[in-house]
Amino acid sequence: AQSVAQPEDQVNVAEGNPLTVKCTYSVSGNPYLFWYVQYPNRGLQFLLKYITGDNLVKGSYGFEAEFNKSQTSFHLKKPSALVSDSALYFCAVRDSGNNRLAFGKGNQVVVIP
Amino acid sequence: DSGVTQTPKHLITATGQRVTLRCSPRSGDLSVYWYQQSLDQGLQFLIQYYNGEERAKGNILERFSAQQFPDLHSELNLSSLELGDSALYFCASSGPGQGATGELFFGEGSRLTVL
Repeated sequence: AQSVAQPEDQVNVAEGNPLTVKCTYSVSGNPYLFWYVQYPNRGLQFLLKYITGDNLVKGSYGFEAEFNKSQTSFHLKKPSALVSDSALYFCAVRDSGNNRLAFGKGNQVVVIP
Repeated sequence: DSGVTQTPKHLITATGQRVTLRCSPRSGDLSVYWYQQSLDQGLQFLIQYYNGEERAKGNILERFSAQQFPDLHSELNLSSLELGDSALYFCASSGPGQGATGELFFGEGSRLTVL
C-alpha cells in the first residue's frame, strides 16, 4: 500500500527566508504526488502535483516541489516565506494502480515575522 | 471556494447516537471521497464512490456507512457513536476521467463532537 512520511512535526522559518517542507513516499507502481495546504478551520486546498515529466513542479502561491525518484522524495519549497504561509501542509501519494490518495500526517509551518 | 459543499458544519451529539453528514460534490464531478481527520490519526481515508458505486474502501468502521445518490450527492452515516469518533469529517470530489492523476477538491468539513 502507498504511504508518505513527513518527518518533521513543525517547521519554523523567518519571513523572507526559504521554506522547505519534507516528504518521502512509498508506492508499488508509478507515484502520483500531491501537496495540499490547510488553514485553520478550513478544508484542504490543492497546491501542486507531480504526475510525470519535469522533476520540478510549480504550483499556487509561489510554491514548487522537486520530485526525486532515487530518494523517493517530493519536498515542497518556497524561495521567500510569507507570514500568510503559516498553515498545515500535507503531502499525499497515489500509485497508478488505484485511486486511493494517502496523506502524510502533516507539517505545521510557522513563519515568524 | 472549492465548490464542494458539506453540511452540517458543526454537530454535537451524545454517545450511542446516529448522525448523517451530507456532501455535494463540485458540479460535474463523479467521484466522492470521505476522510476523517483527528489529532492522533491524522487524515484517514474512509471510502470512495464513483457515479453511485463504491470504488474503494479504507479504514471505515462497520458502524459507519456511506452512499452516493443518483444526483451524485453523498451521505456518510455514523451510528452507535463513541467519544473517539469526534473528528473533522471531510468530503472531497474529483473530476470525471481524472482517475489516479486528478487532484481532490475538499469541502470545509463537518466537525463532529461526541459527548
